[in-house]
Amino acid sequence: DQQVKQNSPSLSVQEGRISILNCDYTNSMFDYFLWYKKYPAEGPTFLISISSIKDKNEDGRFTVFLNKSAKHLSLHIVPSQPGDSAVYFCAASAREYNFNKFYFGSGTKLNVKP
Amino acid sequence: NAGVTQTPKFQVLKTGQSMTLQCAQDMNHNSMYWYRQDPGMGLRLIYYSASEGTTDKGEVPNGYNVSRLNKREFSLRLESAAPSQTSVYFCASSITSGTGNAYEQYFGPGTRLTVT
Repeated sequence: DQQVKQNSPSLSVQEGRISILNCDYTNSMFDYFLWYKKYPAEGPTFLISISSIKDKNEDGRFTVFLNKSAKHLSLHIVPSQPGDSAVYFCAASAREYNFNKFYFGSGTKLNVKP
Repeated sequence: NAGVTQTPKFQVLKTGQSMTLQCAQDMNHNSMYWYRQDPGMGLRLIYYSASEGTTDKGEVPNGYNVSRLNKREFSLRLESAAPSQTSVYFCASSITSGTGNAYEQYFGPGTRLTVT
C-alpha cells in the first residue's frame, strides 16, 4: 500500500502559466518532504524540500506548500517554461530504526506547451 | 566530480542468470540506496546502507543482495534473475547526520534491466 500518492499521472500547462502538482500521504510520522524532477534516461534530481514544521518553502519559480492536517503537499511552478517538462516525483521521509527512509510517489508527467 | 555513477546502463539477462549492478559516488556521502522504478509504482527502495559497513532491507528486497564495498561503492546483485525483476534500477547517495537524519538524495543515471 503506497504511503505517498500522486493521483494525476499527467498534467499539461501552457508556457507562462502556473503548474500545480499534487501529492497526498498517509503516514503522519513523515517529517520531511521533497520534490524531484526526472528527465527521460536520467536519474531524478532534487528540486525543493520542506520540513514538517513549515507550511511553505520557496526557491525561485518553485514553491512547495504543506498542509499537514490534510496530509497534502503541492508544488507550484510559476511561470512554467518548456524546459520544466519532465516527470515530477514527491517523496517523504520518516524515521525507522534510527534512520530516515524515503518513500516516493508514482510521479506526474508535466508537459509545458510553448 | 562525477556525482553518482552506475554501470552498466543497459543489460539483458535470461531467467536464472546472475549479475551485479555497480554504483559509486564521489561526494563523500555516508548513505547509499538502491531503488527500482516500475511503471505506475514510482521508486521503491530495495536496500540501503546507512553508513559504511551496514546494510538493511527496504520495501522490496526479495531476490537481491547488496554489498557496501567501501564508502564510495555499493553494489546490487541478482543471484537468479526473474522476469519480475525487469525494471530500471537507480542508485542514490545522501549525507546523513550523526543522529541518522538523511537529506536529499543524489541519483545515478539508472540501469535498464530486461529479464527474458
